[in-house]
Amino acid sequence: DTGVSQDPRHKITKRGQNVTFRCDPISEHNRLYWYRQTLGQGPEFLTYFQNEAQLEKSRLLSDRFSAERPKGSFSTLEIQRTEQGDSAMYLCASSLVALAGPGGTQYFGPGTRLLVL
Amino acid sequence: GENVEQHPSTLSVQEGDSAVIKCTYSDSASNYFPWYKQELGKRPQLIIDIRSNVGEKKDQRIAVTLNKTAKHFSLHITETQPEDSAVYFCAAMAGRRALTFGSGTRLQVQP
Repeated sequence: DTGVSQDPRHKITKRGQNVTFRCDPISEHNRLYWYRQTLGQGPEFLTYFQNEAQLEKSRLLSDRFSAERPKGSFSTLEIQRTEQGDSAMYLCASSLVALAGPGGTQYFGPGTRLLVL
Repeated sequence: GENVEQHPSTLSVQEGDSAVIKCTYSDSASNYFPWYKQELGKRPQLIIDIRSNVGEKKDQRIAVTLNKTAKHFSLHITETQPEDSAVYFCAAMAGRRALTFGSGTRLQVQP
């Protein structure tokens, strides 16, 4: 499968625990995005990477959230000291952006559904 | 930052009828406008997109129109089928940044 993949697909955790999600983008894509989607809403931007550089973070991304893309390929999103309000679907997307061109089409992964008890 | 508003939130049509979903955006720098379809429990899938140098784009039963002056864009689905039932999201992007999504439209096509 050459699409965007995410792991795990589902995660149940207790409040206060740390969780980590992984995203594997389409192999030639240089840009990787993280979004959060709650029930009945559209995806909300969290952060994105161009290769290994984290270029932008939303104000939604509190200090408890950290994301990495160490080698410019897969990415991880960690949430520390989870809260019930963190329960959501976490979506990853990737795109190919040319140096001088416009933003590329974003392709989404299946998401990781997080439930914080 | 960008703000995208989407209407209606729900839309019910009879099979074979047309469906229209409308979005407005706030950032005049936005130049890329995709539409995603999301079925229950599945990932958002791109169905059509348009860039700001084009006023209209069509792909079989789906079309998107863009009015940059008024800062609004619309999705048109003709000859709707039950498998078109899903939640549809519009989005806008300024430059090479991230997407800002609308709140979604739940489309139900009645057979």
